[in-house]
Amino acid sequence: DAGVIQSPRHEVTEMGQEVTLRCKPISGHDYLFWYRQTMMRGLELLIYFNNNVPIDDSGMPEDRFSAKMPNASFSTLKIQPSEPRDSAVYFCASSLPPSLSSGELFFGEGSRLTVL
Amino acid sequence: AQKVTQAQTEISVVEKEDVTLDCVYETRDTTYYLFWYKQPPSGELVFLIRRNSFDEQNEISGRYSWNFQKSTSSFNFTITASQVVDSAVYFCALSDSTGGFKTIFGAGTRLFVKA
Repeated sequence: DAGVIQSPRHEVTEMGQEVTLRCKPISGHDYLFWYRQTMMRGLELLIYFNNNVPIDDSGMPEDRFSAKMPNASFSTLKIQPSEPRDSAVYFCASSLPPSLSSGELFFGEGSRLTVL
Repeated sequence: AQKVTQAQTEISVVEKEDVTLDCVYETRDTTYYLFWYKQPPSGELVFLIRRNSFDEQNEISGRYSWNFQKSTSSFNFTITASQVVDSAVYFCALSDSTGGFKTIFGAGTRLFVKA
């Protein structure tokens, strides 16, 4: 399996622009997670999906952030409008249910976002 | 509420020293899972181990060992005879049924192993 695939790997944009991050989970994984990593706040869970349905979005910072999972093989995280404080590495991860596996999260390589 | 505390922000050791990374967790559930992940300088996150709440057996894998103690809500990680390649940020994580089995992470401990 190719693992979790994220794109773009790097994105530099200007304040106010729309940013869309993409994720393809591992085939067969029911859970998909979006995390944000910064020096100040560490690894924060933004939102997660189970069977394409958003389960908990309490970590989404504000209305400028939105996430979708239109099908089992694709998810997007959108920031509109972007701000410099959104600069971070955004990780996507997928997993099987803990009852069926070790519950291990398989992470993508991350998307490093810089908002100028 | 779920919480994971890694009180050690940074640890620096000399190669071949043993080092223990502390992790304390909070959960109200009786069913939960604990994890350790490694993030080397290259930035990817690598799964190391999972324990479930019903299995308090300690585990050893090569130079790595884990000590799970429910009585103190701790899940500590020891590296024996550390090597430079062990230099990384190590994260402890927790998922439980009340949280829908979402995984939350501690702040991480950055380990420097000097030659």
